[in-house]
Amino acid sequence: GQQLNQSPQSMFIQEGEDVSMNCTSSSIFNTWLWYKQDPGEGPVLLIALYKAGELTSNGRLTAQFGITRKDSFLNISASIPSDVGIYFCAGHTGTASKLTFGTGTRLQVTL
Amino acid sequence: GAGVSQSPSNKVTEKGKDVELRCDPISGHTALYWYRQSLGQGLEFLIYFQGNSAPDKSGLPSDRFSAERTGESVSTLTIQRTQQEDSAVYLCASIPDPVRFSGGPSRSYEQYFGPGTRLTVT
Repeated sequence: GQQLNQSPQSMFIQEGEDVSMNCTSSSIFNTWLWYKQDPGEGPVLLIALYKAGELTSNGRLTAQFGITRKDSFLNISASIPSDVGIYFCAGHTGTASKLTFGTGTRLQVTL
Repeated sequence: GAGVSQSPSNKVTEKGKDVELRCDPISGHTALYWYRQSLGQGLEFLIYFQGNSAPDKSGLPSDRFSAERTGESVSTLTIQRTQQEDSAVYLCASIPDPVRFSGGPSRSYEQYFGPGTRLTVT
């Protein structure tokens, strides 16, 4: 099925560094969601975006809904070891019954 | 409150056997989704239930896969004659009040996931 393209696929960063990842699509979405998945767990919702251009924060996380409605960005500031995991973006068109998920960005933090 | 629960957490089965996976959604959630996640991969949509409407089965990979849900309660995903390529984590998610058209209330698309069932076919 269709998937959104996320980049980077994986990244190693030093504790304390800021992280940026993005998600792009050839289709327009009306809702963007960002999830984090820890090993052995299901994805947990981090941030939901409902309006083009919207910038939303959740603690050290900030996400933006791209103006074109074809992309979204997630930033993590001052990364810590518990930020390790896989981050997924997901989009919803508003008319379909399901979300389209990204391919995931695997984040690993070195001390 | 209680989240989405799934059972079993792990299942090892022999090729050719049937398996049944269970999902208990959050109480009051009207919609339920099943996904499959292969090792190191993203989420692959399988099937969607919304209330008493006909389910969206467009993601089921073959006729060996089926799922049922009674009303707004428990759902079971059945895989018949399992194959090694069926090995994956099967995730269930529910949402409280999905809206099919744009401009609906917020939180309508926010899916809440269970911990998953890791299926290994030997």
